[in-house]
Amino acid sequence: GAVVSQHPSWVICKSGTSVKIECRSLDFQATTMFWYRQFPKQSLMLMATSNEGSKATYEQGVEKDKFLINHASLTLSTLTVTSAHPEDSSFYICSASRTSGANEQFFGPGTRLTVL
Amino acid sequence: SQQGEEDPQALSIQEGENATMNCSYKTSINNLQWYRQNSGRGLVHLILIRSNEREKHSGRLRVTLDTSKKSSSLLITASRAADTASYFCATDEAGGTSYGKLTFGQGTILTVHP
Repeated sequence: GAVVSQHPSWVICKSGTSVKIECRSLDFQATTMFWYRQFPKQSLMLMATSNEGSKATYEQGVEKDKFLINHASLTLSTLTVTSAHPEDSSFYICSASRTSGANEQFFGPGTRLTVL
Repeated sequence: SQQGEEDPQALSIQEGENATMNCSYKTSINNLQWYRQNSGRGLVHLILIRSNEREKHSGRLRVTLDTSKKSSSLLITASRAADTASYFCATDEAGGTSYGKLTFGQGTILTVHP
C-alpha cells in the first residue's frame, strides 16, 4: 500500500510553454501533498504544501503564479509550470501524507522536466 | 536554507563493510526520517524515529537520535552493492504550521564496491 504515482515521468518542452505534472495517491487518501524540486546532485527543496480543497502554501522564494498547484481531490494534486524557461529544468517530486497516522510521506517517482 | 546537514557528503566502501552517515539539524523536531534515493529516481522511506526515541532498528539499518546534540546517525551493516544510493535525512519540525512538512539534509552519496 501507500503508492504515489506521477505523470509524466519525463517531459521535454519548449521555452515559454506550460507543463502540467500530476501526482496521485493510488491506494490511500492524502489530505496533504507536497511538491519538491531537486537539481542535479542536490537535495530536495520544498516548493509548496498542498491541502485538498484549499490554496497551497508556498515556500519563500517560490513564485506562486509560476508554479500553479491544484489539489482538487484527496488523491490528486497537480503542479503546472507556467511559461517554462531552461532554468526551470529540474526533477520535480511529489509526496503525500495519509489523513491519519504518523507523518510519514510517501514519495512519487519524480518527473524530469527539460526546457529547451 | 536546508536545516539538515549530513556528513560525509560521499562515502565509498567495500561490500560487507558497515556504512555510517550522520545528520545534524538546528530546530526542535517531532521526528526525523531517513530516505534513500537511487540515481534519478524517487525517494524510498527507510525509517522514522520520533523525538522521544533514541534508537531504532530495521533489518540491516540502525538509526540513533540524540536530541540534545540535534544529531542522528544511520548505520547500514554488512553493506551490499545494491545499497549504492544517496541517503537523506529529513526533519519534521516541532511547532510547524504545515502538517508533516519535511526539511531535507544535503544527503550522503554512498558507493558500495563489490
